[in-house]
Amino acid sequence: GAGVSQTPSNKVTEKGKYVELRCDPISGHTALYWYRQSLGQGPEFLIYFQGTGAADDSGLPNDRFFAVRPEGSVSTLKIQRTERGDSAVYLCASSSVPAETQYFGPGTRLLVL
Amino acid sequence: QQQVKQSPQSLIVQKGGISIINCAYENTAFDYFPWYQQFPGKGPALLIAIRPDVSEKKEGRFTISFNKSAKQFSLHIMDSQPGDSATYFCAALFTGGGNKLTFGTGTQLKVEL
Repeated sequence: GAGVSQTPSNKVTEKGKYVELRCDPISGHTALYWYRQSLGQGPEFLIYFQGTGAADDSGLPNDRFFAVRPEGSVSTLKIQRTERGDSAVYLCASSSVPAETQYFGPGTRLLVL
Repeated sequence: QQQVKQSPQSLIVQKGGISIINCAYENTAFDYFPWYQQFPGKGPALLIAIRPDVSEKKEGRFTISFNKSAKQFSLHIMDSQPGDSATYFCAALFTGGGNKLTFGTGTQLKVEL
């Protein structure tokens, strides 16, 4: 594909439910990042993958959040026992190598009722 | 601790005018400073970026000015157009630290006819 794609574009769930958000990076990009953007704020770093491994997960807010990238391409962000405070836009970005130029997807808008 | 401070929060400029957005950072380890443009419902898109070894970088109508001693940098949009109306984020990155971007809080720019 031409750019980073994310699915679903919108997700509405109830408090306590489990959700999965998917990111398809630009083909060939080895580095993948997840960020979270709350309303009116800049994106905040969650986790960074280099290949299949999580090189830096220091931004994950707590153990309800987990992300995987089993084959070094597609990544899934998993949120257990969702809370209303998890409502935000979850952005994925990729880059060709661990590099400064990160290309962002359109985001998944998560609303927890 | 907000590591990158951005101002103003919002800005209204007349068509043809100059838009100026300012950012200040705290972490002297940062060594790459990009600006992102975000339209509603879209992910951030890289606009222009600078490294601290230069004081100015210009690309078309967009210019970054960088003051290393003051730990400040700014974006200037010359000949502002209605199509420039968007939210602008400054960011900073430490290339030796996994390339996770630290964003400012954003500036909502409106260019009026």
